[in-house]
Amino acid sequence: QKEVEQDPGPLSVPEGAIVSLNCTYSNSAFQYFMWYRQYSRKGPELLMYTYSSGNKEDGRFTAQVDKSSKYISLFIRDSQPSDSATYLCALKTGANNLFFGTGTRLTVIP
Amino acid sequence: ETGVTQSPTHLIKTRGQQVTLRCSSQSGHNTVSWYQQALGQGPQFIFQYYREEENGRGNFPPRFSGLQFPNYSSELNVNALELDDSALYLCASSQEPTNTEAFFGQGTRLTVV
Repeated sequence: QKEVEQDPGPLSVPEGAIVSLNCTYSNSAFQYFMWYRQYSRKGPELLMYTYSSGNKEDGRFTAQVDKSSKYISLFIRDSQPSDSATYLCALKTGANNLFFGTGTRLTVIP
Repeated sequence: ETGVTQSPTHLIKTRGQQVTLRCSSQSGHNTVSWYQQALGQGPQFIFQYYREEENGRGNFPPRFSGLQFPNYSSELNVNALELDDSALYLCASSQEPTNTEAFFGQGTRLTVV
């Protein structure tokens, strides 16, 4: 079993839709939860990170962590064609490396 | 742009050869981590360098090695290249080893033929 599971998609939505992206994990030692966006042929770009359970909002993006269920989500409101990318969840214990999901490829159709 | 630069951007090598990839970390960052991202997969941790010493390693064989220089730039060396080494190699820099915010370069696309 992988440390972090993420549905690879692909996911296609119309412009303006609410997008929900999710990851599950098995290791309860994970403390930090991050979402990266990766455009084609580029490196990952950090979107948001959270520590412990709860919600964190940044503009059109909301990150949600449920440690009891070992489930994390990223919501994108009013999705735009420029949001089309691969979204990677990444988790971290107190140590020094990130554990990534497979990534979900999102396409927002104008 | 993150300020993390990698070179070269693309590389083609033959099986059995050796390759060196380079990374310049963001100003003020003393920690560099290397990741391998196979096509359609998430990045996998190779190792991390902090103040010129290896500071953690993932599940990669010894033919993957690295260096960090006094200016905190870093190299990833891969010996005896195999076809499965074809991937995007990403470098990430951060202020400290346990720092949550890691900033990635654009990656080096390595193709082994």
